[in-house]
Amino acid sequence: GQQLNQSPQSMFIQEGEDVSMNCTSSSIFNTWLWYKQDPGEGPVLLIALYKAGELTSNGRLTAQFGITRKDSFLNISASIPSDVGIYFCAGPGAGSYQLTFGKGTKLSVIP
Amino acid sequence: DAMVIQNPRYQVTQFGKPVTLSCSQTLNHNVMYWYQQKSSQAPKLLFHYYDKDFNNEADTPDNFQSRRPNTSFCFLDIRSPGLGDAAMYLCATSRDPSYEQYFGPGTRLTVT
Repeated sequence: GQQLNQSPQSMFIQEGEDVSMNCTSSSIFNTWLWYKQDPGEGPVLLIALYKAGELTSNGRLTAQFGITRKDSFLNISASIPSDVGIYFCAGPGAGSYQLTFGKGTKLSVIP
Repeated sequence: DAMVIQNPRYQVTQFGKPVTLSCSQTLNHNVMYWYQQKSSQAPKLLFHYYDKDFNNEADTPDNFQSRRPNTSFCFLDIRSPGLGDAAMYLCATSRDPSYEQYFGPGTRLTVT
């Protein structure tokens, strides 16, 4: 089956620092989705990407759909304590409707 | 305004006692999904409905069933819960299977 390799697995950063995480796959993805999940809650959609090369921002968040359609990154600028949580990349692969998830990046922000 | 609603948020059931989790949506989306998520893991798809068409994942245990009586509601039935079924159960919706999915807040199931 298709797999998404997400890194890093966890991050500890100082408040105010910028953060970058990424996902790669050996298969082509037509859509890249980035979610944030707080403890005890469902994932919340942050950014959806539909075109290769697309760069999209949502406030302090920026995500890009790689040209090869096999990777994506998410950047968070000027981190704040409420950015703490687990970030998942996800996407349906080419010819597939099933959403594949990365294993998540656990972000901790030190005030 | 809540778009995907799950009830209850917390459910405790006894080993072997049937339990039903519910999900409703105000988005009028065609597709509804049920996921199981265990601690420190990504969500795992159990099944989905595309309108009235039911699609079961190959590795979803027979113990898990689903009903979608109308566009807005979808239910997850666990016929005989085992201790290994304790998890967070997430409902999600999308306009089309290839579009972004919106998740509900989840139901945390405890099996005693």
